[in-house]
Amino acid sequence: RKEVEQDPGPFNVPEGATVAFNCTYSNSASQSFFWYRQDCRKEPKLLMSVYSSGNEDGRFTAQLNRASQYISLLIRDSKLSDSATYLCVVNQGLGGFQKLVFGTGTRLLVSP
Amino acid sequence: NAGVTQTPKFRVLKTGQSMTLLCAQDMNHEYMYWYRQDPGMGLRLIHYSVGEGTTAKGEVPDGYNVSRLKKQNFLLGLESAAPSQTSVYFCASRGDGRGSYNEQFFGPGTRLTVL
Repeated sequence: RKEVEQDPGPFNVPEGATVAFNCTYSNSASQSFFWYRQDCRKEPKLLMSVYSSGNEDGRFTAQLNRASQYISLLIRDSKLSDSATYLCVVNQGLGGFQKLVFGTGTRLLVSP
Repeated sequence: NAGVTQTPKFRVLKTGQSMTLLCAQDMNHEYMYWYRQDPGMGLRLIHYSVGEGTTAKGEVPDGYNVSRLKKQNFLLGLESAAPSQTSVYFCASRGDGRGSYNEQFFGPGTRLTVL
C-alpha cells in the first residue's frame, strides 16, 4: 500500500465547475499536510498547507480528517488555468525537519 | 532572486558513465533535498542536507552520492549510471524556520536519460 494515495484522474470539468480531490495517508504520526500543484513538465509549487481546522484560500478549500487519515481539496469556480496535477503531500518529519511523502497526483483538466 | 536553479536541464548518459547534477539556491536556506520523479510514482527523496557539510540518506539513496561543501550548493553524483536512474530529478530547499509548515522551493528539474 502506498503511503499517500490519490485518484490519478484525470478529472475533466468545464470552466466554472466545482471539483473535489481526496487523498488518504497511512502513517498516523504524520505531522503536517500540504497540497502542491505541478504543471506539465514543471516543478511542484506549494498551493496551500492543510490545517486541522480546515482552511480556505480564495477558491480553494482544504480539509483534514486525522481520525480517518484523509485530506481533501475543493476548487470552486474552476478556471482554465487550474489545469494541472495536484499533489497530496504529507510531512512525516519531526520538529523543524520535513520528510515529505508525495502522492502520485491527481490530474485536472478544465475545458472552456 | 533566482530561487533554486539546477544544472543541467537535460542530459543523456550511457550506462556506466558518471555525472554530477548541481543545485544552487540564493535564499540562504539551511535544508536542501534531492528527489526523483518517475511515472506512476510520487516524488521520492534520494538524499538531503540539514546544513553546510552535512548529508543524509533518504528513501532511495542507492547509486547516488551527494555533497554540501557550500551552504548554497547541493551536488548529486551518479558514479556509474544505470538505465533505472532514468528519471526527472528535482532539487528543493527550505529555510530553517521551526514550523513544520514551511514551504519547500523546487528547482526546475533535470531530465536524465540513461541508455
